[in-house]
Amino acid sequence: GEDVEQSLFLSVREGDSSVINCTYTDSSSTYLYWYKQEPGAGLQLLTYIFSNMDMKQDQRLTVLLNKKDKHLSLRIADTQTGDSAIYFCAETYGGSQGNLIFGKGTKLSVKP
Amino acid sequence: DAGVIQSPRHEVTEMGQEVTLRCKPISGHNSLFWYRQTMMRGLELLIYFNNNVPIDDSGMPEDRFSAKMPNASFSTLKIQPSEPRDSAVYFCASGDHFNYGYTFGSGTRLTVV
Repeated sequence: GEDVEQSLFLSVREGDSSVINCTYTDSSSTYLYWYKQEPGAGLQLLTYIFSNMDMKQDQRLTVLLNKKDKHLSLRIADTQTGDSAIYFCAETYGGSQGNLIFGKGTKLSVKP
Repeated sequence: DAGVIQSPRHEVTEMGQEVTLRCKPISGHNSLFWYRQTMMRGLELLIYFNNNVPIDDSGMPEDRFSAKMPNASFSTLKIQPSEPRDSAVYFCASGDHFNYGYTFGSGTRLTVV
């Protein structure tokens, strides 16, 4: 079946860049998403990228998409302690926005 | 808008009891989703509705789970009878065709003892 894979943990120092990677399987995915989950909270949409784009930048966030390898990454520049959270990659399953398949999430720890 | 509102925030119940989780989507959103989050399985889509109609319930684990959406502003997820393995955080999310991605509620943490 469809699957989204992410590494489970990432630890960085404050001020460094963080890069969170994700691989997905559905080549018909129209959109790919990054969500952030802080402790005790729901998922918050951070950014998304349309499948015909290679890159999208939004302030400190840069999303890179390699459609050939089905690889998505999220780069956070100048990582702050407030960025500590779990980050989820998600793809639209079957090309429809109606069904998102999530990875298991990458827990980002930012050390001062 | 107050966002997606879920109630209760926390629920502790005994095995065998009926549990009802509630969700109020964002006004104007025409899609509603129920997800379950556990450490072992991550986020699983249980069911989603479009214009109050269930579209895909293939993620509902078994007949003990049922979901309804009687109108555009309210949905319930019911577990009867509940079992300890149902313990998880249940999220409701809503969306529409004009905005990408979904808005999640804060979740209901269910503990079945």
